[in-house]
Amino acid sequence: AQSVSQHNHHVILSEAASLELGCNYSYGGTVNLFWYVQYPGQHLQLLLKYFSGDPLVKGIKGFEAEFIKSKFSFNLRKPSVQWSDTAEYFCAVNTNTGTASKLTFGTGTRLQVTL
Amino acid sequence: KAGVTQTPRYLIKTRGQQVTLSCSPISGHRSVSWYQQTPGQGLQFLFEYFSETQRNKGNFPGRFSGRQFSNSRSEMNVSTLELGDSALYLCASSPRGLNTEAFFGQGTRLTVV
Repeated sequence: AQSVSQHNHHVILSEAASLELGCNYSYGGTVNLFWYVQYPGQHLQLLLKYFSGDPLVKGIKGFEAEFIKSKFSFNLRKPSVQWSDTAEYFCAVNTNTGTASKLTFGTGTRLQVTL
Repeated sequence: KAGVTQTPRYLIKTRGQQVTLSCSPISGHRSVSWYQQTPGQGLQFLFEYFSETQRNKGNFPGRFSGRQFSNSRSEMNVSTLELGDSALYLCASSPRGLNTEAFFGQGTRLTVV
């Protein structure tokens, strides 16, 4: 069964600092990869996704992620964070097998951006 | 386009009772998935329905069940509630399920006392 690891549980950054959140998955086959964000009191929203093609994907609000197949990683980056980026970030994997759709989530990283 | 709608938003139930949660997917979406979110376990997959058929199921006891109607609306039921069932239950819809993204609802906050 696939699993997803997010090693940073709580990250505190000052505004304008650069961000990189780690995500590693364990699955030997083809995967679809996602980053979701959950702002306080709001529902999960998709930041970006990778299905195939260019391993560097750009999402909303200036976020990007790079899929490195050899490292089973899909790290999220943003060059300069804003206070409004304070939220919880979840990496998720969907194995591209059969017809079922099942997302496996990491435990999440709580990002706190200070002014 | 309306998003995923979950009702009710909040529920308080007593141990031993049963509860039914409802999810209306985005119009045209045929896949509905359910997740349980707790501080200790994070987001865990419960089950997925596509065209009224359960296609995948997570590792939850049989007390957790669901169904999907012909209009793609879905319900999940939890019987014989336990304190540990207190959680945020999220519903997600997607157009086909495979190689597509999931759109999440606001969730139903269930508290078991």
